[in-house]
Amino acid sequence: QSALTQPASVSGSPGQSITISCTGTSSDVGRYNLVSWYQLRPGKAPRVIIYEVTRRPSGVSDRFSGSKSGKRASLTISGLQGDDEAEYYCCAYGGSTSLILFGGGTKLAVL
Amino acid sequence: QVKLRESGSGLVKPSQTLSLTCAVSGDSFPGGTYSWSWIRQTPEKGLQWIAYIYHDGVTYSNPSLRSRVSLSIDKSRNTFSLTMTAVTAADTAIYYCARATAAEYHDYWGQGALVTVSS
Repeated sequence: QSALTQPASVSGSPGQSITISCTGTSSDVGRYNLVSWYQLRPGKAPRVIIYEVTRRPSGVSDRFSGSKSGKRASLTISGLQGDDEAEYYCCAYGGSTSLILFGGGTKLAVL
Repeated sequence: QVKLRESGSGLVKPSQTLSLTCAVSGDSFPGGTYSWSWIRQTPEKGLQWIAYIYHDGVTYSNPSLRSRVSLSIDKSRNTFSLTMTAVTAADTAIYYCARATAAEYHDYWGQGALVTVSS
């Protein structure tokens, strides 16, 4: 069982928006604004798409956005495209005890 | 641009030791503000952070793996390494090396190395 809870899968049609949730505790997601999101595609190196809850690295489409409320962080992808199909992981800093925590991953299908 | 590439033992027998090395190219290694991580991926658990090491050799690790894991850094070769002892089938995974920033996110990753634990 992973430290952070994500839905196992989500799906959407091209052009639609989807949101992936990531639930932690008051010691990690709820305490620090150090939540990041990663996109994993087979055969490719993982890519950070959101860091510090809402920030996007240069080169990442503004269709990707992040937010947080309490112990729950969210990744929203708007205007879904076929190459958004991937596995998405949230990650949070858990303080000096737990350090780096990942969610279990969410598989996104673009139907 | 920073590039990372994993290398090491692809097949390890149960109870033996897993060894992986990450070669880093680019001008940030080892870099005072960065740490250098090992992360693994399994179908059952997804991503799991293993540990990271700073330029001065200070290491932090996942409490669940701490007793079996050690990291080292070789500035002359631009590499850092992972050693994991007493492996079992549960340690079969894709192992990634990555650079972590001060904001605790990983901005550069290697392509990953598959390690299989099997007799």
